[in-house]
Amino acid sequence: SSELTQDPAVSVALGQTVRITCQGDSLRSFYASWYQQKPGQAPVLVIYSKTNRPSGIPDRFSGSSSGNTASLTITGAQAEDEADYYCNSRDSSGNHWVFGGGTKLTVL
Amino acid sequence: QVQVVESGGGVVQPGRSLRLSCAASGFTFTSYVMHWVRQAPGKGLEWVVVISSDGRNKYYADSVTGRFTISRDNSKNTLYLQMNSLRAEDTAVYYCARTVGNGYFDYWGQGTLVTVSS
Repeated sequence: SSELTQDPAVSVALGQTVRITCQGDSLRSFYASWYQQKPGQAPVLVIYSKTNRPSGIPDRFSGSSSGNTASLTITGAQAEDEADYYCNSRDSSGNHWVFGGGTKLTVL
Repeated sequence: QVQVVESGGGVVQPGRSLRLSCAASGFTFTSYVMHWVRQAPGKGLEWVVVISSDGRNKYYADSVTGRFTISRDNSKNTLYLQMNSLRAEDTAVYYCARTVGNGYFDYWGQGTLVTVSS
């Protein structure tokens, strides 16, 4: 399968923890990466190679993976974390990339 | 600093062609795999195409195969996307992005809007 499945929308209370998940068969073979996108802006990498965080990304963002599911966790969500989040990986061929449908995160 | 800047978007009629460019700077362009990713209005990200660092290998999404062609001019640090037989469903912001390591996108341009409409 070349699909990555995400919940369309998730909400979290300010300061609480939220987990955003991404499911797909290709995640058994290839690393997931996660991107944050705010309205009118380009996507920004927040997690790569399942668990790594680029410089400049707050340590409240973390990643994990098990089997066919990758997860992005925000511990102590802030108002500025309200955005769309996309997972990404390669498909089973390794030559195509695929994005999840995206999860809209609302911080209440 | 690393920069990728897209250009060439605009309004085009269905069935016509358009060529997008992506000017890269601040890194050794010849060493990186490059992609085009698009986003239709109000929709999610869709991967379109990838080209290897030397330009020899190219892979396309099924939705654009046979209509779009990716190329690069490493002497000019520029990536291209030739889009033919455009359809309304190709309307989107087109982003140029590079991948590193295990294939994650570390830098993105700001995108260029392509609108296919009569």
